[in-house]
Amino acid sequence: DADVTQTPRNRITKTGKRIMLECSQTKGHDRMYWYRQDPGLGLRLIYYSFDVKDINKGEISDGYSVSRQAQAKFSLSLESAIPNQTALYFCATSDSRQGIDEQFFGPGTRLTVL
Amino acid sequence: EDQVTQSPEALRLQEGESSSLNCSYTVSGLRGLFWYRQDPGKGPEFLFTLYSAGEEKEKERLKATLTKKESFLHITAPKPEDSATYLCAPYSSASKIIFGSGTRLSIRP
Repeated sequence: DADVTQTPRNRITKTGKRIMLECSQTKGHDRMYWYRQDPGLGLRLIYYSFDVKDINKGEISDGYSVSRQAQAKFSLSLESAIPNQTALYFCATSDSRQGIDEQFFGPGTRLTVL
Repeated sequence: EDQVTQSPEALRLQEGESSSLNCSYTVSGLRGLFWYRQDPGKGPEFLFTLYSAGEEKEKERLKATLTKKESFLHITAPKPEDSATYLCAPYSSASKIIFGSGTRLSIRP
């Protein structure tokens, strides 16, 4: 079984709809992240959480919100989806006990907003 | 401002033709640098962590090196299965990772 899972894997929605992307991990890591990836722009950080009670905005948090329901679960919500939020979304985890903590990524969710 | 630039954006090689990918960075308080491999439509896969200038890491046909301003990913005698996008990501003292936009590597049989 994969260590970091994301659901759904693909989603097509309409402008104005609320949508939630979910991430679960079995790695026992304390830190979790949400990124979006657009062609030519690389990975950009949306939100990150260093533990269950800690939520921080990344460089592109506008239009998004998150919830850390448990150490293993981190959800990303788009309150009112718009077409320029069409992108590939990745969840990642890391272990702060490693000092320099490399991130491990899920398989991604391809989101299309019409 | 922290920045990272990868070059070239795309590289096409013949199978067996060795080359290098470049990652130039300006990061305050660099604590390390990661290299990832990403296949189309998939999440990045961790390859290496480099901690200090002069360090080298190897994995199969890949070798990563680090200086104070650059990192290189050397690919020796590549095979078609090495085709992927390679991402570098400096890690700063603020516990932040900055991802480069990647080099898209294509190996022709």
